Amino acid sequence: AQTVTQSQPEMSVQEAETVTLSCTYDTSESNYYLFWYKQPPSRQMILVIRQEAYKQQNATENRFSVNFQKAAKSFSLKISDSQLGDTAMYFCAFMNTGNQFYFGTGTSLTVIP
Amino acid sequence: GAVVSQHPSWVICKSGTSVKIECRSLDFQATTMFWYRQFPKQSLMLMATSNEGSKATYEQGVEKDKFLINHASLTLSTLTVTSAHPEDSSFYICSARPPGVSGANVLTFGAGSRLTVL
Repeated sequence: AQTVTQSQPEMSVQEAETVTLSCTYDTSESNYYLFWYKQPPSRQMILVIRQEAYKQQNATENRFSVNFQKAAKSFSLKISDSQLGDTAMYFCAFMNTGNQFYFGTGTSLTVIP
Repeated sequence: GAVVSQHPSWVICKSGTSVKIECRSLDFQATTMFWYRQFPKQSLMLMATSNEGSKATYEQGVEKDKFLINHASLTLSTLTVTSAHPEDSSFYICSARPPGVSGANVLTFGAGSRLTVL
């Protein structure tokens, strides 16, 4: 069974600073996808970034980047130049070869002005 | 971009009644849709996979007779909570995977439906 663990229930960061959210997962599969989704107070889930497990290069989307360590089964999200609009719940997610998604328990991020 | 629409966004019902939630893919066809349940400040729990033209696949522990799923067309899946009780109060979210390279392996979510059972 696949499990996704986010060990930081809550985090805060000063505006314009950098913050890293942690995620680890457990799987016996070799090919899979990893995602970070953002859920703001509106509760609409929004894709932040995705990573294919077969790619060694870390994905980057503007201020968002990941540190993907396949051997360690770690997938952290770094947010640079944090903005007030980044305040949200962040969910790490894993998709297996059966195309099923599994979500972590989430990290509530607050950006402090 | 791909859009998934849910309706209603919020529904309040009396205990014992049934409630239907609709999930539509507005600009793409979805042979598969997914239904999640989210309790306050908790993660999304996959309830079932809705398959167009066939029976839904339910996750372990989810009562199929309680949560009826119908995927009658390539753009519409419905979740009916039958004989709802207060413990069914939750936030229900549907999602689908748009076709094409850009949407490959990415879930697009509806805005969710908040169910309150009195």
